Amino acid sequence: AQKITQTQPGMFVQEKEAVTLDCTYDTSDPSYGLFWYKQPSSGEMIFLIYQGSYDQQNATEGRYSLNFQKARKSANLVISASQLGDSAMYFCAMREANNNDMRFGAGTRLTVKP
Amino acid sequence: GAGVSQSPSNKVTEKGKDVELRCDPISGHTALYWYRQSLGQGLEFLIYFQGNSAPDKSGLPSDRFSAERTGGSVSTLTIQRTQQEDSAVYLCASSLGVRGGRAGNEQFFGPGTRLTVL
Repeated sequence: AQKITQTQPGMFVQEKEAVTLDCTYDTSDPSYGLFWYKQPSSGEMIFLIYQGSYDQQNATEGRYSLNFQKARKSANLVISASQLGDSAMYFCAMREANNNDMRFGAGTRLTVKP
Repeated sequence: GAGVSQSPSNKVTEKGKDVELRCDPISGHTALYWYRQSLGQGLEFLIYFQGNSAPDKSGLPSDRFSAERTGGSVSTLTIQRTQQEDSAVYLCASSLGVRGGRAGNEQFFGPGTRLTVL
């Protein structure tokens, strides 16, 4: 069963604008971690942000913030003040406390327009 | 410090041949993961090593795939009798392996090995 769903195959945003990339997840484990990774065309996977299921505050890392809505099981990534270098694939991922694997969504390709 | 390294960066092989892909994790990281990423797709979990524990092989797609980790460090993913559908980028990642929190869960990825089976 698909555990991570990213419904936006592609997104466009104007430079300097904010953009939200959607992610919903499915788990019955009360303890889990949510991650966002960026994969530019070079192929490397770059960690962006982490949210623990018991964290009270939404995670923030510079221009990245995670809109964590636990009851809705959503973990949307918000990128503020988009830059041309933000153009890349973005993957949402989850690791449950009782599982060893990390489940990844299908990804969203973000294109920042000048 | 040095990140996760993988070799070779590219591998072209003929159908039916065996291939070995190598991963050198970050020093001190006890957890090591292998993933496969087909063109335009997300990452598919293959196998997980944690210290000296038995590996979690639940993601291996067939018995042609195997992996080992020697001395708790370097890992080798072996694909026997390669098929064209094995063509993908194979990514390795390592983490501290401590349960809970960002520090324990954050995975650092290598650059990947692009495997092409003709």
